[in-house]
Amino acid sequence: EIVLTQSPATLSLSPGERATLSCRASQSVSNYLAWYQQKPGQAPRLIIYDASNRATGIPARFSGSGSGTDFTLTISSLEPEDFAVYYCQQRGNWPPLTFGGGTKVEIK
Amino acid sequence: EVQLVESGGGLVQPGGSLRLSCAASGFTFSSYEMNWVRQAPGKGLEWVSYISSGGTTIYYADSVKGRFTISRDNAKNSLYLQMNSLRAEDTAVYYCARSPYSGSDHFDYWGQGALVTVSS
Repeated sequence: EIVLTQSPATLSLSPGERATLSCRASQSVSNYLAWYQQKPGQAPRLIIYDASNRATGIPARFSGSGSGTDFTLTISSLEPEDFAVYYCQQRGNWPPLTFGGGTKVEIK
Repeated sequence: EVQLVESGGGLVQPGGSLRLSCAASGFTFSSYEMNWVRQAPGKGLEWVSYISSGGTTIYYADSVKGRFTISRDNAKNSLYLQMNSLRAEDTAVYYCARSPYSGSDHFDYWGQGALVTVSS
């Protein structure tokens, strides 16, 4: 089973700042990595798929990069609605599909 | 508009059974692979099960294998999860989630979730 490790667990930033979230896989997943945003009481929302492709309707301030075992989600300038928990998910070697433990982006 | 609506959640005793349903609308359900993903209270996301568009290929997480059964009825645009021998650790919100195209294995649409509580 591929284990995804997200860091940091919590990121405290102010609106307008740049957020950089990391996801590391225990073995290569090629570019088969997705990112999701989840707000309290809501279902997750797809942000990035296949490492760097923005999902439909996702603003350009969100970008993804990486391949193999190291991936990054970048939010170039945080908007108030971006404060949430972010999860990465791999499909490089499955079953099982696996998720990272999440990074909470909170208002500083 | 794509919609996924789960139902069937509730309180069940350990060892009991429950069947979740997911009603799909706004897209050609029979063309899409579907999954169940769960989230224990205050915890992260855990993939539970996958079913191919025609229902011929099925996968489960080890944590539910032998206890849960995924199925679908394409004529009724519905996805199901039969959960037997439930344990306290199965307590979670269960989401049905769509994969956007064959082999994509990520999830572009999610339902609102159904809460399953396993407790005596």
